[in-house]
This record gives sequence, C-alpha cells and structure tokens, in this order.
Amino acid sequence: SQKIEQNSEALNIQEGKTATLTCNYTNYSPAYLQWYRQDPGRGPVFLLLIRENEKEKRKERLKVTFDTTLKQSLFHITASQPADSATYLCALAGTGGFKTIFGAGTRLFVKA
Amino acid sequence: EAGVAQSPRYKIIEKRQSVAFWCNPISGHATLYWYQQILGQGPKLLIQFQNNGVVDDSQLPKDRFSAERLKGVDSTLKIQPAKLEDSAVYLCASIGGTGDGYNEQFFGPGTRLTVL
Repeated sequence: SQKIEQNSEALNIQEGKTATLTCNYTNYSPAYLQWYRQDPGRGPVFLLLIRENEKEKRKERLKVTFDTTLKQSLFHITASQPADSATYLCALAGTGGFKTIFGAGTRLFVKA
Repeated sequence: EAGVAQSPRYKIIEKRQSVAFWCNPISGHATLYWYQQILGQGPKLLIQFQNNGVVDDSQLPKDRFSAERLKGVDSTLKIQPAKLEDSAVYLCASIGGTGDGYNEQFFGPGTRLTVL
C-alpha cells in the first residue's frame, strides 16, 4: 500500500541552525510533493510544492529537494527561529491533485 | 480573501448518535477535500469533490459516512451512527484551478469531534 514515512521523533535544534526534515515514500509515483506546517489546534498551512520533474525549490529560508529515484524529499529551514517550532507534514498528490496522502509529520522544536 | 470556513469547531456526542459538519470553501475553488486527522497522525483523505461531483471516495467508510456538495459550493459531511474511533479532527480543504491543474490546498480550522 502507499505509504509516507517521516521522522516520528521530534527534532530539537538550536536557534540559527538549519533544520532538515526527511520524507520517504513507497508504492507511489507522485506528480506533486508538498510540505505543510501545522500548529496545535489549527489546520495545515501550505509552505512549498515541488513537481516530479523538479529537483529543488526555494522560498525565503525554506528549501525542498525531491529525488524520485530514492523516493525521498528533504525539507530545510535555514537560520531557524523559535517561531518555526511546529509540526511539518509531507504530502503527495497525483495528477490533478488526486489520491492525496499525508505523512504523520515531524515535530520541530527550535530553542532560543 | 476569506479562508475556508468550518462549523462547528467542537462537537461532543454519544456513540451511535449522528453528527454533521459544514464547510464553506474559498470562493471560486472548484475542488474540495474532507480529511480525518486522528491525534498524532497526518490527515487522511475521506472524499474529494470537483465542483459538485465526487472524484474520489475510496477511503470513505460508506456504511456510516456520507458527504455532499450541493451546487458545487458548500459541503456537509455526516456520520451516522458515530463510533468511538471516529473521534478526530475533521478538516476541509479547497484548491483553486491553475494552469497545470494543481496547487496548494487551503485548509479550514477543522472540527474536533469527541465520541463518548
């Protein structure tokens, strides 16, 4: 069955360092991979989308890489801040946004 | 631009009772999703609408869950009868059309359901 794996353990880093989160998937050939941020008691908020034919995408302090051979995405937050503390969700979607699946998320704690 | 609206925000019911959730997507968004998010897990897709038609309901427990999107705008999700394992947050999301057919999903705040 289709599956997404994200680090189940929380990631604790010091302010100013780069946070790197991993998303691995199996039994899926996605057209799109996305990263969302979710704060407690709120719905997910979109951060970045990368297409199957793209290798890397950047937005301000965020960078996503997408390796369809390894079936893996890496999500980087540079110069991390305590305000970046949240749960980060990886999601895959097929053509047209069909068959969307989400990972369980990785909790990030940035310490001042 | 107003976001995705959901109501109620919280609901507590007894098992075997019925419950309904309402979602109003962003104006003009043709695609609407309902997700179930159990504590500690990622959102699980229940149903996807394109305008007022269902395009994917493969993970919807159809013996107890139903959803409709009349007129291609608002949507309701119903559970009848509820079970203890239905306790979760129910999220609604919508996307607008883009040139390549897909873009970010905009999520509502969710409805937290507790089944006792």
